[in-house]
Amino acid sequence: NAGVMQNPRHLVRRRGQEARLRCSPMKGHSHVYWYRQLPEEGLKFMVYLQKENIIDESGMPKERFSAEFPKEGPSILRIQQVVRGDSAAYFCASEGDAGELFFGEGSRLTVL
Amino acid sequence: GQQLNQSPQSMFIQEGEDVSMNCTSSSIFNTWLWYKQDPGEGPVLLIALYKAGELTSNGRLTAQFGITRKDSFLNISASIPSDVGIYFCAGGKANAGGTSYGKLTFGQGTILTVHP
Repeated sequence: NAGVMQNPRHLVRRRGQEARLRCSPMKGHSHVYWYRQLPEEGLKFMVYLQKENIIDESGMPKERFSAEFPKEGPSILRIQQVVRGDSAAYFCASEGDAGELFFGEGSRLTVL
Repeated sequence: GQQLNQSPQSMFIQEGEDVSMNCTSSSIFNTWLWYKQDPGEGPVLLIALYKAGELTSNGRLTAQFGITRKDSFLNISASIPSDVGIYFCAGGKANAGGTSYGKLTFGQGTILTVHP
C-alpha cells in the first residue's frame, strides 16, 4: 500500500517465544509509525520513530515490547515472551507531507 | 484516553443506495481522515480533511470536517458492491511545534455490506 513494505505478512508463535516484525517506509521517508489492531477493533497507536530515534512511545506496553529504526535497514517491532493477548494485526505507516498516514499491508501475529 | 465514537457500527444496504456514517469526539482534532480496510489488508486513505468546515469530495465519496472540530461525516453516493469493507475515521492533533503529526486516534469502524 503506497510503498510501505511489511514482513512477514503472517507469523505464528507459541507462548513465550519472540516475534520480530519488520517495516520499510515509503522511499525517501525516514519516519515510521506502528499501530496495533485487535480483532474487530480500530487501530491503536503504539510508537513513532525516526532513524535512530524514538520520538513517541506512549502507546507501547511497558514490558516485552520494543521498537527500533536503525540507520540502515527496516524498522523492527519486537515482542518478547509473547502471550495470547498479543495476537493482533500490526501495521506500519509512513507519513505524508500533510500528516496523513499511508499504511502497509500489516503483519498478523497469532500466538498459540 | 481519547475516544472517537463512530456510527453506525454496521450497515446493510442495496446497491445504488447512498450511505452516511459519522464520528464524534469529546475533544478537538486538527485533522480528520477517513480510511477503508478490506479483509486481510491495511487501511487505505480515502479522504483527508485539514480545516474546520471543510467539505471534500473524492469521486462518489464526500466528507466534512465539523465546525466544532469534534466531528466528521462520510457520505458514499450510489453504492456499488466493491464499496464493501470497514470504514474508519481517524482524528489527528498537531504536536507542540504546530506541525502535522501522524499520531492518530481511530474510531471503532463501520462495517458496510452492499447487496447487489
